[in-house]
Amino acid sequence: AQSVTQLGSHVSVSEGALVLLRCNYSSSVPPYLFWYVQYPNQGLQLLLKYTSAATLVKGINGFEAEFKKSETSFHLTKPSAHMSDAAEYFCVLFSGGYNKLIFGAGTRLAVHP
Amino acid sequence: NAGVMQNPRHLVRRRGQEARLRCSPMKGHSHVYWYRQLPEEGLKFMVYLQKENIIDESGMPKERFSAEFPKEGPSILRIQQVVRGDSAAYFCASSPKGLAGEQYFGPGTRLTVT
Repeated sequence: AQSVTQLGSHVSVSEGALVLLRCNYSSSVPPYLFWYVQYPNQGLQLLLKYTSAATLVKGINGFEAEFKKSETSFHLTKPSAHMSDAAEYFCVLFSGGYNKLIFGAGTRLAVHP
Repeated sequence: NAGVMQNPRHLVRRRGQEARLRCSPMKGHSHVYWYRQLPEEGLKFMVYLQKENIIDESGMPKERFSAEFPKEGPSILRIQQVVRGDSAAYFCASSPKGLAGEQYFGPGTRLTVT
């Protein structure tokens, strides 16, 4: 079965500190993986995507993620947090066949001064 | 090119009423997906449609929920006889043909059942 697990439903960092949001996946086929961000009362915005090319993927707003097949992980990082990064982040697995996206439960990132 | 449009953004219904949620995909997109987000949870797939066809409805509750994507007009998610447990945010996404996993999300409709 295909699934996504996000470790830590809430993460809190200081402004300027490293952001690390963890995601592990389970897939019987080579996966496509995404990170989406959701700001309060808004829709989802695509941050970055991995589609079997480079394992280190750079996205918008200074975020990047590294695909590690041996660890079945796709952790999201940003070197220096900004107050505007406070949002909910979803790790998403693409399930082939009918284009079904499988979402993790989400990690709420808080950034404090 | 306008993004995915959903209306209404907020909908309040009393128990037993019907809720109709609309989704207009991005121009040129012929694939529509509906997802539900319960409080403090991620999005859960409900249904995948192409024009006039339901392709995958494996995530739809068996009763009271239906979806359509007619030849003309928006996609509609319909919930009959709503109950409090239907209160959630409902998101629509669209994709162009052939771009696996490339889905674009609307702002969502927040349904509150009183």
